[in-house]
Amino acid sequence: DQQVKQNSPSLSVQEGRISILNCDYTNSMFDYFLWYKKYPAEGPTFLISISSIKDKNEDGRFTVFLNKSAKHLSLHIVPSQPGDSAVYFCAASVAGTYKYIFGTGTRLKVLA
Amino acid sequence: NAGVTQTPKFQVLKTGQSMTLQCAQDMNHEYMSWYRQDPGMGLRLIHYSVGAGITDQGEVPNGYNVSRSTTEDFPLRLLSAAPSQTSVYFCASSYSGTLWTGELFFGEGSRLTVL
Repeated sequence: DQQVKQNSPSLSVQEGRISILNCDYTNSMFDYFLWYKKYPAEGPTFLISISSIKDKNEDGRFTVFLNKSAKHLSLHIVPSQPGDSAVYFCAASVAGTYKYIFGTGTRLKVLA
Repeated sequence: NAGVTQTPKFQVLKTGQSMTLQCAQDMNHEYMSWYRQDPGMGLRLIHYSVGAGITDQGEVPNGYNVSRSTTEDFPLRLLSAAPSQTSVYFCASSYSGTLWTGELFFGEGSRLTVL
């Protein structure tokens, strides 16, 4: 049973436009959520996170939105740049358990 | 500051062989973990440790063994390799306790092929 789902395996966006990556989860105990970016042949790198006490967190061009009632989070990238082309993973955790459940990833391609 | 270092980067094994994937970090992180990445499956937690002498199982622990004798090192052992263990393996570490931020720091990965 996939507790964290990224239903879009891939997404293409024009440079300068908004990229929206989505993630759904089933376990209502999750209270901390993260987004990671991964380039080929590299390890994932942390992008942004959000605690369940918030519904939005911003860091520069990246904003994560959390809708707890829908068990849904999304990552917005504005404006999108060609260097943003990568695979994006969302992850969920129960704070203090040190167990992170990852989604299957969405491959973002930003077209110049 | 090297971060999280994994060796080897590539390895080919025959079924039944054993090997150890090495992971070391120089950030004084208490928490360390191993993930495997398979196509269509995302990253799945194999084992993790919250400090020297303490280890616990993740989602997919079968066929793997770990130990944590020092803060810096967290080796992953495959006792009898099987083709189903063909994967890319990532080691990750983070702060824990009051310093926990949730952010995991990953190594560059080790690609393992079992024939």
